[in-house]
Amino acid sequence: EAGVTQSPTHLIKTRGQQATLRCSPISGHTSVYWYQQALGLGLQFLLWYDEGEERNRGNFPPRFSGRQFPNYSSELNVNALELEDSALYLCASSRPGGPYSGANVLTFGAGSRLTVL
Amino acid sequence: GQNIDQPTEMTATEGAIVQINCTYQTSGFNGLFWYQQHAGEAPTFLSYNVLDGLEEKGRFSSFLSRSKGYSYLLLKELQMKDSASYLCALMDSNYQLIWGAGTKLIIKP
Repeated sequence: EAGVTQSPTHLIKTRGQQATLRCSPISGHTSVYWYQQALGLGLQFLLWYDEGEERNRGNFPPRFSGRQFPNYSSELNVNALELEDSALYLCASSRPGGPYSGANVLTFGAGSRLTVL
Repeated sequence: GQNIDQPTEMTATEGAIVQINCTYQTSGFNGLFWYQQHAGEAPTFLSYNVLDGLEEKGRFSSFLSRSKGYSYLLLKELQMKDSASYLCALMDSNYQLIWGAGTKLIIKP
């Protein structure tokens, strides 16, 4: 079974540009989560998609947005990039409904490292 | 509010035992997760506790005390491959995961 795949692995952008990151969940998983992992900080929740709908959003400005496609893959868009957006962006998936128990945990991808110069 | 604390870094010796602590403050609780993250890799699930007590899974065990807002991950018979960051995450009353900053564990021969 293929795991959660993310692309690109690395991305270098300059301030003000836009970045698009992509995620394919495990087959059968309909929930997709996006996290930001900056150096020395815990995972910060960005977005949660389930069955094509945005279910919840973390405390990030509107220039962070995304969507989920009918095949449950997802993309994260970051507009007007700022230096502090440099981080590892992790995507995770779970079976429908979210990680309510140890039986339905999040499975993570290896992440996309975004560097803003 | 919610808060999770873990030590930033720990060092242990190959073959030994290490305990990584996680303390939290939250108004609602629906379980606590531990994940392992090797450098440059995806976090991987280790354990989930929702009731008080010890859950054992091979060389790894996880303990929870809800009244004390405290959990620990116990790693026995340490191997060099256990060098990684260990992430503690609590699930709040809205079933959202709140993550600690992680503990970097360094194993020395």
